[in-house]
Parts: sequence; structure tokens; C-alpha cells
Amino acid sequence: EPEVTQTPSHQVTQMGQEVILRCVPISNHLYFYWYRQILGQKVEFLVSFYNNEISEKSEIFDDQFSVERPDGSNFTLKIRSTKLEDSAMYFCASKAGNNEQFFGPGTRLTVL
Amino acid sequence: GEDVEQSLFLSVREGDSSVINCTYTDSSSTYLYWYKQEPGAGLQLLTYIFSNMDMKQDQRLTVLLNKKDKHLSLRIADTQTGDSAIYFCAEMWVDSSYKLIFGSGTRLLVRP
Repeated sequence: EPEVTQTPSHQVTQMGQEVILRCVPISNHLYFYWYRQILGQKVEFLVSFYNNEISEKSEIFDDQFSVERPDGSNFTLKIRSTKLEDSAMYFCASKAGNNEQFFGPGTRLTVL
Repeated sequence: GEDVEQSLFLSVREGDSSVINCTYTDSSSTYLYWYKQEPGAGLQLLTYIFSNMDMKQDQRLTVLLNKKDKHLSLRIADTQTGDSAIYFCAEMWVDSSYKLIFGSGTRLLVRP
């Protein structure tokens, strides 16, 4: 069964460093998302991407964040200069034309 | 506003039914979802319901929707220890980018 994959599963970085989180959405899906979950808190929407552009972003998604779909399969989230408060689990999700949104296993980002 | 509310904790005995409740915001043409998150894992889509439906049944899972009160529930019949997890309800706003707004999650503990 097709699934969303994410790499790495765990990323440790120093404050101020750039990180790139990678996702491979399900191949025939059209809508792509990033969410994050700070430990013990709810899952929060960051950004949605459709037709090769951002369709919506939350107030969390400031200038330090960017997304890209560099080829036909990968979908990346870049954090330019990480802060301690960026430590969280980051989930990628994708959706086809129906309304089932499937999530990847997540990348745990730890900023030291 | 964007706010989905859930009770935080539920404990049941193995074999009993579990009922997890959620209230959601009022937005047009909403789909409502239930996701399961096991410790350290991603979000598994369990089921979803369109807001013009009252009920949906899928094996041991029954979703009930009360549109008047904006109340959603997930009933798990014959609850097993493997059902112990955090259950998130989520609302999809189809007039935006189809993003999901999550509740804070209900931790279900199934006692043997």
C-alpha cells in the first residue's frame, strides 16, 4: 500500500543551523502539507502546497521556513536558522483529489 | 475561529466500549477525521465523515455527528489493549487549502 515517507527520522542540530526535512508524498497525490507537533501539544498546520506553489501558510511559517518540490517526488521543508523552539515532530502529509489526508511517520527535530 | 476541543484522557477496561468526544468549529462543507497516534509514531487515519452525515460505521469504529451541537464522537467497540493510543479529531476546511485543524488529542488507556 502506498505511503508517505520522511527522512531522517531524527535530526539533531545546533541553534542557528539550517535543516532540510525531506518527504516523499504518495505518487498520485496533488496536495502536500507540513504540520508540526511540539512535545505534548496538538498537531499544528504549517503550510500547504498545490500546483507548485504555497496555497496557504500559518503564522508559524515565517521567513525562516521554506518549502520546495524540487522534482516529481520529493517535498522538502527548510528551516534557515533554527531556534530552540523549532524542536518538534514535523509531519508531512499528502492528499489526492478525495478527502483522505495521509501522514508520514514524522521527523523529530531537536535543536540544541 | 479555528478551535477543535477534546477531553484529555479516557480509561476503559479491555472488552468495554470507548467513546471519545470532540467539538468542532462551524465551517462550510467540513469533513471530520479521527486519527490514531501510538507512542513515537505518526498519525494513522482511522476514519472520516462528511458533515452532512449523521453516522458512519467501519468494523469496530462508529462515528456519530451532531451538527446542531457541533459534536463528534468515536466509539470503539470491544476495546483492546492495542487500542491504547492518543486519538485526534481533526476538521478539514474545504474553503481553504484543505488543511486540517486538530484537537489536542485524547489519550486512551485500556486496562487488562
